[in-house]
Amino acid sequence: FVLTQPPSVSVAPGKTARITCGGNNIGTKSVHWYQQKPGQAPVLVLYYDSDRPSGIPERFSGSNSGNTATLTISRVEAGDEADYYCQVWDSSSDHRVFGGGTKLTVL
Amino acid sequence: QVQLQQWGAGLLKPSETLSLTCAVYGGSFSDFYWSWIRQPPGKGLEWIGEITHSGSTNYNPSLKSRVTISEDTSKNQFSLKLNSVTAADTALYYCRITDWYPATPENFDYWGQGTQVTVSS
Repeated sequence: FVLTQPPSVSVAPGKTARITCGGNNIGTKSVHWYQQKPGQAPVLVLYYDSDRPSGIPERFSGSNSGNTATLTISRVEAGDEADYYCQVWDSSSDHRVFGGGTKLTVL
Repeated sequence: QVQLQQWGAGLLKPSETLSLTCAVYGGSFSDFYWSWIRQPPGKGLEWIGEITHSGSTNYNPSLKSRVTISEDTSKNQFSLKLNSVTAADTALYYCRITDWYPATPENFDYWGQGTQVTVSS
């Protein structure tokens, strides 16, 4: 199962960033999103499409329908600059798959 | 406080076997999935595989023929073995434990600090 993410997204501070994750009928799967800053381990920011772990700001939200899942970051801050990865469980071969990652740049 | 401490050989020659261990401190995680993930230099994340407390495993199909993940529940540790390594296996390797069915949005996902493994002749 292939997950396709744009290599990069740029956004001005205070604006809204949308990072997409494309896959065949991804709307039928649960999508998890990770944030990774340089030199750090990834951090789970959304699970099961739109649930936020404790400590993740409400500015992070998600949706998933059809062939596209989207991570939305509202009121973007400089500290949101990072690489973001989506992940799903591929039930056809019982394994988890990561998207290629998207570098979010805050202008 | 939950901590994952991982260790293993950082420099291997081609054809050798990569061996890493991850110890979990700070609690009991019998409902968690214990997994390994790697990241080649400058590249994205790649899921290697996972093991449950009951010993059930799932592997990345692209690595399945070379990978073994095992656990020692008595020590709260799990291990990764990847045989016949090549330069393409050079990466930062992370261990992780996750409850994929959390009852609450707290304290269900933990990562190790990462171990750099380089394969070079």
